[in-house]
Amino acid sequence: ETGVTQSPTHLIKTRGQQVTLRCSSQSGHNTVSWYQQALGQGPQFIFQYYREEENGRGNFPPRFSGLQFPNYSSELNVNALELDDSALYLCASSKTQTTWETQYFGPGTRLLVL
Amino acid sequence: DAKTTQPTSMDCAEGRAANLPCNHSTISGNEYVYWYRQIHSQGPQYIIHGLKNNETNEMASLIITEDRKSSTLILPHATLRDTAVYYCIDSSGNTGKLIFGQGTTLQVKP
Repeated sequence: ETGVTQSPTHLIKTRGQQVTLRCSSQSGHNTVSWYQQALGQGPQFIFQYYREEENGRGNFPPRFSGLQFPNYSSELNVNALELDDSALYLCASSKTQTTWETQYFGPGTRLLVL
Repeated sequence: DAKTTQPTSMDCAEGRAANLPCNHSTISGNEYVYWYRQIHSQGPQYIIHGLKNNETNEMASLIITEDRKSSTLILPHATLRDTAVYYCIDSSGNTGKLIFGQGTTLQVKP
């Protein structure tokens, strides 16, 4: 148990819809990172939020956006869903924005886009 | 793209040591070596990290060669619960960004 929770666990959407995924970080962790993991692949970094500001982004289009709140919760929003967005979405919390700090991953939300 | 290369899969007998290799051919001086693992249907779990010295914790040992171009993760007494995908990552400590490759699927067999 990492103390990081995600909701929902599974989700089915249709192409073109919008989705919001939620993450609750460990208390005291002011950094959250989001990753996308396609089937059979390693996780791919989407972006990181540190103290409620975006602090680095991977190779993902602007329709992937996020929010981080002062109460250690955060959201990943994806607009105009595409079939290729079907994946496991993982959030990871850490004390700071550096990789020196261990990242604690949640169990993920599995999104299926039809 | 991932900067490390690992074998796709490995088997290990339960109770024996599992030695998982990783090549870091492009690692630079300020980049650390990290190992995470992902048990089926769970999020990745941190195992260990190091810069240039060998490291040991309650989960594993990390051996880094002198030129830092390769590392080995050692699980001293593998159990069935160690069956997972193991990822090695090299990353500058101040980026916060972990770049995962395909990893090594370790199957621990009875």
